[in-house]
Amino acid sequence: SYVLTQPPSVSVAPGQTARLTCVGSNLGSKSVHWSRQKPGQAPVLVVSGDSGRPSGIPERFSASNNGYTATLTISRVEAGDEADYFCQVWDTTSDHYVFGTGTKVTVL
Amino acid sequence: QLVESGGGLVQPGGSLRLSCAVSSFPVNSNYMGWVRQAPGKGLEWVSLLYSDRLTYHADSMKARFTVSRDTSRNTLYLQMNSLRVEDTAVYYCARLQNWGGAFDVWGQGTMVTVSS
Repeated sequence: SYVLTQPPSVSVAPGQTARLTCVGSNLGSKSVHWSRQKPGQAPVLVVSGDSGRPSGIPERFSASNNGYTATLTISRVEAGDEADYFCQVWDTTSDHYVFGTGTKVTVL
Repeated sequence: QLVESGGGLVQPGGSLRLSCAVSSFPVNSNYMGWVRQAPGKGLEWVSLLYSDRLTYHADSMKARFTVSRDTSRNTLYLQMNSLRVEDTAVYYCARLQNWGGAFDVWGQGTMVTVSS
């Protein structure tokens, strides 16, 4: 089965840049999406690989995909960015939707 | 916009039907799905409904779980049979932007606990 691997945690100081990675086989051929989940809340889409940032998501959130690694970049990190972040793709080989293992972002 | 219900405590081997009432868009012209999250764990995809005749389920839930919709009630369902302890989780319904796209609208989730 298809696997997306994310680092368990990333720590970043306020005002700095956080780069969250998502590794998967042949990832460049897939559209990678990113969601954020704060404790006790439902996930929220922050970047769609097809359509970019939904309304309400600040420009500080951006994403890239270099073929093997997808990256969510959070610029000028704020305390409110502290959350779990999940990458996800639709795997056409298995016809399965796949979530990454998730990264907990801690703002120092 | 999406309101789940039907969760609760059930014994192993039992059944539950979850509902997801949608108020802001028609379920029959949108792709819909279910995602779950076990306590303290990450997100796990459960099922997708593209049309009444095109559904997908995760391997561990295939043949036990069935996703469906009622367009007259504008509601998505997840019928869960032969429940196991490891099915304990918060179950979210969500809308898929497009085929292969992102889940862009989520409900608040309903808790399912499988325990004797």
